[in-house]
Amino acid sequence: GEDVEQSLFLSVREGDSSVINCTYTDSSSTYLYWYKQEPGAGLQLLTYIFSNMDMKQDQRLTVLLNKKDKHLSLRIADTQTGDSAIYFCAVYQGGKLIFGQGTELSVKP
Amino acid sequence: DAGITQSPRYKITETGRQVTLMCHQTWSHSYMFWYRQDLGHGLRLIYYSAAADITDKGEVPDGYVVSRSKTENFPLTLESATRSQTSVYFCASSTQGVEQFFGPGTRLTVL
Repeated sequence: GEDVEQSLFLSVREGDSSVINCTYTDSSSTYLYWYKQEPGAGLQLLTYIFSNMDMKQDQRLTVLLNKKDKHLSLRIADTQTGDSAIYFCAVYQGGKLIFGQGTELSVKP
Repeated sequence: DAGITQSPRYKITETGRQVTLMCHQTWSHSYMFWYRQDLGHGLRLIYYSAAADITDKGEVPDGYVVSRSKTENFPLTLESATRSQTSVYFCASSTQGVEQFFGPGTRLTVL
């Protein structure tokens, strides 16, 4: 079945850019997602990209998709302390979402 | 209020007891999902439902039962709770399964 992998931790300084990476195995995945989870809360959909796109930008967020390498990334520009959270990559497969383990982003002032 | 809600938010129970977690959404979304979140595993799908009276197993369905008699409700029952079912449970809903919106979660502890 589909396997989605993320690195577990990322630490950045406030004001820097953050790049969170994700790899997946099923090349037929049609939608790919980024969710954010703050402590004690549910998952918030940040953005998603359709598989025929290479890039999607939404304010401080940029999603890049490399289908050849099955690699998805989320770039957060001008990272703020409020961006500290766990970020989940997910891929759509047959009506369901398959999630990565999540990357904990720590933003230091 | 509109949205997706879960109850209870916190639950402590004992091994062998039956527990039901509730999920309610006001968007009339067709799809509803139950996930569990455990450290090191991310989110894993337990059950999902494409419409009222239609349910299907996810990745980790053993020990759980679901029903969907009404579009807006999707209760999850642990028939005989075990310690391995200690977890945070999230419900989600979606119009066509593509964009899923999550509830705030239920933290369940089985002693």
